[in-house]
Amino acid sequence: SYVLTQPPSVSVAPGKTATIPCGGNDIGSKSVHWYQQKPGQAPVLVIYHDRDRPSGIPERISGSNSGNTATLSITRVEAGDEADYYCQVWDTDSDHVVFGGGTKVTVL
Amino acid sequence: QLLLVESGGGLVKPGGSLRLSCEASGFTFGDYYMTWIRQRPGEGLDWLSSVRGSGTPTYYADSVRGRFTISRDNTKNSLYLQMNNLRVEDTAVYYCARVGIRFGYATPGNPFEVWGRGTTVIVSS
Repeated sequence: SYVLTQPPSVSVAPGKTATIPCGGNDIGSKSVHWYQQKPGQAPVLVIYHDRDRPSGIPERISGSNSGNTATLSITRVEAGDEADYYCQVWDTDSDHVVFGGGTKVTVL
Repeated sequence: QLLLVESGGGLVKPGGSLRLSCEASGFTFGDYYMTWIRQRPGEGLDWLSSVRGSGTPTYYADSVRGRFTISRDNTKNSLYLQMNNLRVEDTAVYYCARVGIRFGYATPGNPFEVWGRGTTVIVSS
């Protein structure tokens, strides 16, 4: 089955850039979606189809996808960006949704 | 206003059954794929099942295929998850979500753009 790999945690200082990788075999050929989840809340879609942003999501949040790694970037990090972030794809071989294990972003 | 509200969670003994519901409002329910996702305590997101707007086809994670059944009633704007033979490891918050439409096409690979707040299922003796 298809596997998405994310680092468990990423720490970043306020005002700096957080980069969250999501690794998968030839993930560049798939559409990747990203979700932000704050404690006690439901997840929120922040990036879809690799790099598109839903309305209301700040431009500081961006996505890219190539080769074996998709990346979520958050520039000018703020305390409010502290959350868990999950990548997700649809695996056409198995007709399954696959989530990465999630990355906890900590703002120092 | 787009809204999804889950219900039906609770405490159940191992081997028991529960039926979760998700009531939708603010959009044409039958146009969209819908999905169920769960999150065990302290863990990540775990996709369970998706269903097309018409009710078929359906898709299931291997971990729940044969035990869980997804269904929908478009006349009631409602999505369901029948859960049988529940196990302790099914303890989780269960979310329903709407799958987006892109360029006029609804596919199971589109993003989960609207989520409910979740309903909690506890399986314990």
